[in-house]
Amino acid sequence: EDQVTQSPEALRLQEGESSSLNCSYTVSGLRGLFWYRQDPGKGPEFLFTLYSAGEEKEKERLKATLTKKESFLHITAPKPEDSATYLCAVLRNQFYFGTGTSLTVIP
Amino acid sequence: KAGVTQTPRYLIKTRGQQVTLSCSPISGHRSVSWYQQTPGQGLQFLFEYFSETQRNKGNFPGRFSGRQFSNSRSEMNVSTLELGDSALYLCASSLPGTGDGSPLHFGNGTRLTVT
Repeated sequence: EDQVTQSPEALRLQEGESSSLNCSYTVSGLRGLFWYRQDPGKGPEFLFTLYSAGEEKEKERLKATLTKKESFLHITAPKPEDSATYLCAVLRNQFYFGTGTSLTVIP
Repeated sequence: KAGVTQTPRYLIKTRGQQVTLSCSPISGHRSVSWYQQTPGQGLQFLFEYFSETQRNKGNFPGRFSGRQFSNSRSEMNVSTLELGDSALYLCASSLPGTGDGSPLHFGNGTRLTVT
């Protein structure tokens, strides 16, 4: 069964404390892995797409990496404005979403 | 460039009623997908439309239906509402279609509450 699992469910960090979010998947025939950020009351906002193992993408304090069975979203020196829920999604014939990691960055 | 627009933002309905949600995609985007988001289940795929044709459908009952118009705008209908239909309904558009790996661009959703 196609499945996407994100961990941890929630993460609290001090401002400047780097960490990583995990997205593991059992979807076969992967056509892409996507990271989104969702703020309360808003729709998910697209961050990155990764297409093959070994690929990396960076944007400001965020860096996404991909292996054959999981992806990591590394957050370096986070700021309070990075607080949000981060969703990963895997594309096969349709998108399969994880339930997200709720990140809180404390000043 | 305007983003994906969903209307209305909030809806309160009673069990047994029906509801229609509307979505206008980003200009030039021909694919529109609908998702249901609940705290426990996350985002669940409802269906995708491309050039007025339903291309893919998730595991939802027939009470959930949709359509797409020639201008790519889309509507979603839920008939005989149940309490469990309370959720955030998200519409997303993409340029060519879901299968080719293009990212989805989401609207801010319609919050449906069924009492």
